[in-house]
Amino acid sequence: RKEVEQDPGPFNVPEGATVAFNCTYSNSASQSFFWYRQDCRKEPKLLMSVYSSGNEDGRFTAQLNRASQYISLLIRDSKLSDSATYLCVVNMRTGNQFYFGTGTSLTVIP
Amino acid sequence: SQTIHQWPATLVQPVGSPLSLECTVEGTSNPNLYWYRQAAGRGLQLLFYSVGIGQISSEVPQNLSASRPQDRQFILSSKKLLLSDSGFYLCAWTYSSYNEQFFGPGTRLTVL
Repeated sequence: RKEVEQDPGPFNVPEGATVAFNCTYSNSASQSFFWYRQDCRKEPKLLMSVYSSGNEDGRFTAQLNRASQYISLLIRDSKLSDSATYLCVVNMRTGNQFYFGTGTSLTVIP
Repeated sequence: SQTIHQWPATLVQPVGSPLSLECTVEGTSNPNLYWYRQAAGRGLQLLFYSVGIGQISSEVPQNLSASRPQDRQFILSSKKLLLSDSGFYLCAWTYSSYNEQFFGPGTRLTVL
């Protein structure tokens, strides 16, 4: 079983739509959670960390559900520039390893 | 502020040739350093990580090796490249195992 699983998509949504991605993780000892954004042929860039109480950054909201072992990312009022692959990342503080999902592809359509 | 450098940006190498990719971090000390590979259309595969000079942990047995000769320098090497070594190689650093990682711009390697 993979440590982190994501729906690969693709998600094709119109501008202005709200879209949500989920990511499940297998190890209940996981401690840190992140969402990264990766543009085509570029390096992943940190979008936001995910805190236990949930957190928001502008149009982006991240939530963590430890009981069900999943994290989510909600994007409101989608922009064309939001088109990218979104990677879910999970880390256990022991072992120094970060586990990446394979990414969810989003295309925002004019 | 911290920055991470990787070079070269692009590399085309014949099968059987050696490889050396370099990664350096500026603006921080004693970072944890990582090498990942991303094959076309695939997720990130952790190759090596290091928590200090000379300390290397290997995640995937293969014909690659890594070294950390200085605190902020991480090198990925191979004596003989295989076709399957083609991919996008990314170096990353983090303060600790529970902080976010920051990636370098990557090296796109094509083995012919």
